[in-house]
Amino acid sequence: EIVLTQSPGTLSLSPGERATLSCRASQSVSSNKLAWYQKKPGQAPRLLIYGASNRATDIPDRFSGSGSGTDFTLTITRLEPEDFAVYYCQHWDNSPPLAFGGGTKVEIK
Amino acid sequence: QVQLQESGPGLVKPSETLSLTCTVSGGSINSFCLNWIRQPPGKGLEWIGYICYTGNTNYNPSLKSRVTTSVDTSKTRSSLKLRSVTAADTAVYYCAGWSDQKWAFDIWGQGTMVTASS
Repeated sequence: EIVLTQSPGTLSLSPGERATLSCRASQSVSSNKLAWYQKKPGQAPRLLIYGASNRATDIPDRFSGSGSGTDFTLTITRLEPEDFAVYYCQHWDNSPPLAFGGGTKVEIK
Repeated sequence: QVQLQESGPGLVKPSETLSLTCTVSGGSINSFCLNWIRQPPGKGLEWIGYICYTGNTNYNPSLKSRVTTSVDTSKTRSSLKLRSVTAADTAVYYCAGWSDQKWAFDIWGQGTMVTASS
């Protein structure tokens, strides 16, 4: 079973700052199978990044993903007010359970 | 554009069965596997399982003994049944469509809150 560990648990930043979120897998995973989601209270999760580095439809280019093997990163270059949310990484390799990371909350400092 | 909508009782008694439906509009489950995911209050996302248009299913081992999913003949509605619920099953339940092309969930329902309480 692959476990995804996200850090930090909470990131306190100001609008305009850069956010760097980490997702570490318990064993090496294919980059093609790592996704990131944004979750706001009362809303469904929204796909941001798939295949570790591909932005989903209508996702602004301030969001970018990178990484390989066991270490993946979601970067938000300049935080906008609407970016304050919880972010989850996710992996699936056809071997249950499908994994979500525990989430990183990006909050306003 | 395909949209998903969850529906079902918001309150279930402990030891009873939670039953939810996911309705697909603008398409059908012929084009993707329909997943169920939940989020307990204050906690993260937990994958429950999926059912594909082929009838193929796959479940989280931690819930497998209590979960059943099905798809109706029109392929526009999927149901989730979770037996013997406890307070730990209290959560917002989402249905989500899996994209094989993106290898990610690219369609989500708005979610429905279910509370397990007497």
